[in-house]
Amino acid sequence: AQSVAQPEDQVNVAEGNPLTVKCTYSVSGNPYLFWYVQYPNRGLQFLLKYITGDNLVKGSYGFEAEFNKSQTSFHLKKPSALVSDSALYFCAVILGGYNKLIFGAGTRLAVHP
Amino acid sequence: EAGVTQFPSHSVIEKGQTVTLRCDPISGHDNLYWYRRVMGKEIKFLLHFVKESKQDESGMPNNRFLAERTGGTYSTLKVQPAELEDSGVYFCASSQGQFSGNTIYFGEGSWLTVV
Repeated sequence: AQSVAQPEDQVNVAEGNPLTVKCTYSVSGNPYLFWYVQYPNRGLQFLLKYITGDNLVKGSYGFEAEFNKSQTSFHLKKPSALVSDSALYFCAVILGGYNKLIFGAGTRLAVHP
Repeated sequence: EAGVTQFPSHSVIEKGQTVTLRCDPISGHDNLYWYRRVMGKEIKFLLHFVKESKQDESGMPNNRFLAERTGGTYSTLKVQPAELEDSGVYFCASSQGQFSGNTIYFGEGSWLTVV
């Protein structure tokens, strides 16, 4: 079965420090990978995606993610965290030829001043 | 350009009542999706429209849920009768074209509470 794992329920980071939110996937075939963010009482906002090409993709708000095929991972990173980055982050995968996103459980990021 | 819009943003209904959620996709997007996140669990796919046709409705939980997209524009999702376990947030999303890698854009969600 296709699945996405976000092993950490919550990540705590001090403002100004680098952050990483982890994501691994288990799918057959070639996946397309996405990160979305949900701010409190808001909808899902698209951050970035990996389709093909360069394994390091850059997205909104200074976030980036690295696709690692051998480790089946797609970790989200940012060099310097802001308090305003505090939100719920979702990793998702879609298989080529399909249009159904499979989401991870989400990771709550808390950035402390 | 307007994003995906959903109405109502919040709804509180009693068990057994009916609720209809509406979604207006981004203009020109043929693909329209419904997802939901209940009780703090994972976001789950409900169904996918291509224009007015149901492409995939494998995620619809039971026959109390009915989705329509007449004319291939806006969509409605009706829950009748609502049960307590239906409480959660219902997201509508849309995307352009057939390529699976096209970005899927989500709305703000309709937050449903069944009491």
